[in-house]
Amino acid sequence: GQQLNQSPQSMFIQEGEDVSMNCTSSSIFNTWLWYKQDPGEGPVLLIALYKAGELTSNGRLTAQFGITRKDSFLNISASIPSDVGIYFCAGQLAGYSTLTFGKGTMLLVSP
Amino acid sequence: NAGVTQTPKFQVLKTGQSMTLQCAQDMNHNSMYWYRQDPGMGLRLIYYSASEGTTDKGEVPNGYNVSRLNKREFSLRLESAAPSQTSVYFCASSNLPGQGSYEQYFGPGTRLTVT
Repeated sequence: GQQLNQSPQSMFIQEGEDVSMNCTSSSIFNTWLWYKQDPGEGPVLLIALYKAGELTSNGRLTAQFGITRKDSFLNISASIPSDVGIYFCAGQLAGYSTLTFGKGTMLLVSP
Repeated sequence: NAGVTQTPKFQVLKTGQSMTLQCAQDMNHNSMYWYRQDPGMGLRLIYYSASEGTTDKGEVPNGYNVSRLNKREFSLRLESAAPSQTSVYFCASSNLPGQGSYEQYFGPGTRLTVT
């Protein structure tokens, strides 16, 4: 299947720091989605992106649809302990009706 | 409005036993999906149903069958469970792809252990 490379695999940061993570691929995507998964829960949709170059915010979270359509970025500003979890990117390839998921970035925040 | 619900939350099976995982959504979505999540592997699509009456294989369909019972319900069946099927299973739903949204909404998961 198609591959999404998500990095970093994990991050351990101090409360108040900003965080950046990204997903890249050799294929072109029409849609990028970012999800957060808390321990023992299902993934929850954070942000959806539909146009190349699009920049969308949801509170302290900001995501961008790369202009090449092969990548996407998620930034979290001023992290807090409840930001802890696994963040997944997901992309919809041109011509496909399903999503491809990255392997996730585990975020740990120290108070 | 419960969103996507899954039953059971936890299940332990012996090798060779069968079981059905249930999923229901109340968002009037057309498409439904079954994923498995294993450590370090992300979410992998098992089967999906783009609309009522249709089902298609995903990335890892072997050992599973599905039934789209009606627009609300999509079940996943393990006919003869194997230890390799120990995983967390998630159901998701979305509007019809191409009709404005590829956003998928997930249930809370079923944690399955096969011994």
